[in-house]
Order: sequence, then C-alpha cells, then structure tokens
Amino acid sequence: NAGVTQTPKFRVLKTGQSMTLLCAQDMNHEYMYWYRQDPGMGLRLIHYSVGEGTTAKGEVPDGYNVSRLKKQNFLLGLESAAPSQTSVYFCASSFFAGVHDGARQTIDPRETQYFGPGTRLLVL
Amino acid sequence: QQQVKQSPQSLIVQKGGISIINCAYENTAFDYFPWYQQFPGKGPALLIAIRPDVSEKKEGRFTISFNKSAKQFSLHIMDSQPGDSATYFCAASIEGSQGNLIFGKGTKLSVKP
Repeated sequence: NAGVTQTPKFRVLKTGQSMTLLCAQDMNHEYMYWYRQDPGMGLRLIHYSVGEGTTAKGEVPDGYNVSRLKKQNFLLGLESAAPSQTSVYFCASSFFAGVHDGARQTIDPRETQYFGPGTRLLVL
Repeated sequence: QQQVKQSPQSLIVQKGGISIINCAYENTAFDYFPWYQQFPGKGPALLIAIRPDVSEKKEGRFTISFNKSAKQFSLHIMDSQPGDSATYFCAASIEGSQGNLIFGKGTKLSVKP
C-alpha cells in the first residue's frame, strides 16, 4: 500500500491563480481531511469528508473548495490564490470500522488518522 | 480562541534526559487526547493517545500524564535520543466529531548527543 499520497509536492503560484491539490489513499478509508500547517500555528482543519460525495467545513474553510467524487480521492481547490494561503497542506484519512476475528468492529476514526507527506504551496 | 495551548515552543534536551511537553485545554467535552510526532519534510504520525478515564499511559519511552481536574496533559520522553528530535503536537477531540482534531501549536524538540 502506498498509504496517503499528495500531488504536487511543491508549487509556486501567483496571486489570483487557481490550482487543485490532489490527495489519494489506497486503504479504502471512509474519512478524509485537509489541514494546513503554518509556522507556530500547528495544524488547522480546512475541510473534511465522511464519505464519497460528502464534504464539510472545518476550522478555516474560507478561500478553499473541496470535492470527493471518488472514495479514494479528496481534492482541495484554490479558486483565486492569495499570499495568505502560503502554507504546507496535509491530507489525512481514517476509518471507523474493521473486521477482527471475523466480526465487524467499530473503530474510533480519531485513532486511525494517517497523514500524507504534504504539499508546500507558495503564493507570490 | 486557542482551544489547546501547548508549551514550550522549543525544547533542547541532552541525550539520556527527560523531555516534557505540556498541553492545556478548556473544553470539557474533549474526550480523546493524542500526541503526534513530525519529522522535517514528513507528515505527522500518531505517537500515543489517552482518554480521560485514565491518568497515565505508557508506551515504551513515551508516557502521557493526564490531569482531568486541571485540564492538562503532558508528554514525557524518557531517555531522550537524538532520533527523537522532531516537532511534537498535542491534540484534542470530541466524540462524534468525525475524526476532527484540534491541534496545539507544536513543540520543536532537539536532543543533543
């Protein structure tokens, strides 16, 4: 398994340009998340998805849009990039159910969150 | 309003020493408190986590101490090694939040040989 992968690894944009960040996971996870990480700020949740075709806002959603057309992919879009969106973006995925000894078990998705390697975005 | 306050921002410890990172929270609805470890250029990875029904959890050299009445929890790294040098984030979460985590601002740990 490749786990959680992110494309691209690094990108430079000019103010006003648009772009899409791709997150892909091959673990059949139901939940996916987009975070941004800024120096001295920790990680802040932008948007998340609890399943194919569903999305929800996180702590800092303004200026971003997301889509989850396929279970394995979660796209983060910037329609008109601003310098304030210069950041490192991390995608994560998690699951809430599994099979143990032949029985289906509910798992807390907070315990199973796996992060990708990040996308560094610079907006000039 | 910062929901999870983490200190210190940076920490330098000698090899073999004990590293201690502290976090405090306000929301009593939080019921899951993980610590994440992040190496440069990598994504965060879950290190250890605790729930409020226990006061301490230990995994190898890593221990979480939890004080429910004080609304504080801390990470202790015993016998710190240069390989432990990384940024550590505490986080908190509410049951039913669909996996949403509220992170502290992080602590950069450097372990000197």
